[in-house]
Amino acid sequence: EVQLVESGGDLVQPGGSLRLSCAASGFTFSNTWMHWVRQAPGKGLMWVSHINSDGSTTTYADSVKGRFTISRDNAKNTVYLQMNSLSAEDTGVYYCTGDQHYSNYYWGQGTLLTVSS
Amino acid sequence: QSALTQPPSASGSPGQSVTISCTGTSSDVGGYNYVSWYQQHPGKAPKVMISEVSNRPSGVPDRFSGSKSDNTASLTVSGLQAEDEAYYYCSSYAGSNTWVFGGGTKLTVL
Repeated sequence: EVQLVESGGDLVQPGGSLRLSCAASGFTFSNTWMHWVRQAPGKGLMWVSHINSDGSTTTYADSVKGRFTISRDNAKNTVYLQMNSLSAEDTGVYYCTGDQHYSNYYWGQGTLLTVSS
Repeated sequence: QSALTQPPSASGSPGQSVTISCTGTSSDVGGYNYVSWYQQHPGKAPKVMISEVSNRPSGVPDRFSGSKSDNTASLTVSGLQAEDEAYYYCSSYAGSNTWVFGGGTKLTVL
């Protein structure tokens, strides 16, 4: 059974930093591209970041470029999202997803980030 | 990275068919056959319903189908059932390892 379990969500002050983690199982993680997708409260989905299977290629949405860093540890079957210079606009549920066929095939349950003073 | 355009709402009676559109540009929807559709029930994680424009993952009912013409993709739900009531999001590969989602459509089963 495919499982993605996100963790690390928290209440953070504006300007702060946080690292999210996502532990994967049930599929060949080291061969799978991974993404982070976020959903602001009551809003739609927004693609945040992608990392290829060996971590050599990373891409970001314009709104997080320069502030967020995606990485992965294939030995631990885990993908990370380091988030710096956080603002209220970054508030939302962050989903870790596994890519198949350029689609977000596998989804975690999400972890909530709240940026507020 | 502009969001794809979806109607905010759609509706149909049980047993009917409904089609949800997703309009992008030649840089995303029109440029690649990598359009996917997701179903999200309130408080739940999204679930992929269609990938690569028209492919149904294992376990997705064949009542769900996808298509694309030029810069517009479509999701059709046939034989509507009560459990189909949910939000639906389209997404497209947009080149250079970037992706874009639509704003979402709330499907109501009357």
